[in-house]
Amino acid sequence: QVQLEESGGGVVQPGRSLRLSCAASGFTFSSYGMHWVRQAPGKGLEWVALILYDGSYKYYADSVKGRFTISRDNSKNTLYLQMNSLKPEDTAVYYCAKPTTVLLWFAESWGQGTLVTVSS
Amino acid sequence: NFMLTQPHSVSESPGKTVTISCTRSSGSIASNYVQWYQQRPGSAPSTVIYEDNQRPSGVPDRFSGSIDSSSNSASLTISGLKTEDEADYYCQSYDSSNAVFGGGTQLTVL
Repeated sequence: QVQLEESGGGVVQPGRSLRLSCAASGFTFSSYGMHWVRQAPGKGLEWVALILYDGSYKYYADSVKGRFTISRDNSKNTLYLQMNSLKPEDTAVYYCAKPTTVLLWFAESWGQGTLVTVSS
Repeated sequence: NFMLTQPHSVSESPGKTVTISCTRSSGSIASNYVQWYQQRPGSAPSTVIYEDNQRPSGVPDRFSGSIDSSSNSASLTISGLKTEDEADYYCQSYDSSNAVFGGGTQLTVL
């Protein structure tokens, strides 16, 4: 079955960088776009970024555009999120998500999430 | 970009029916599908309705979805409420370059 495992979260100071990873298994990773979605403590879900199956197109939420970069390595079945110039408001659980087979913009499977805390 | 607005919370008794709304701020609600997620504390979201009104396998038929163009909104209806339905519910849609989540609705079954 589909398995998504995020890693790389932790505590980081404002202005610093962090890279998250998402190891995928149980499906043909190279055939699917992939999302990052985050959830601040006690708050709702916020879509962060989407990358197409081959990395040819990337889409970002306005709140992270210019600071975050989504990428993937299909040879390693791994999705990444490079987060630069981090702000306290970036504190959240970050989920990677696989979209549905038919509709790219909806999540079908989710990882367990990794917590990023931006604090001095 | 558009927004999706949900009530912050709803509550109802076991066995009753509850409806959660999701109103699109601009553009037609019918222009793109709406999906609904359930999220229990400490867990990742899971889909309860996709493509406006379709249920994934394993989701009880007590869950149903609809859209109403006159109010530009989508709705999730849960009938025969059970205590296990207590959770946060999120609607989601998209446009050409963004996915958009509603703010979420906390459902209390008391």
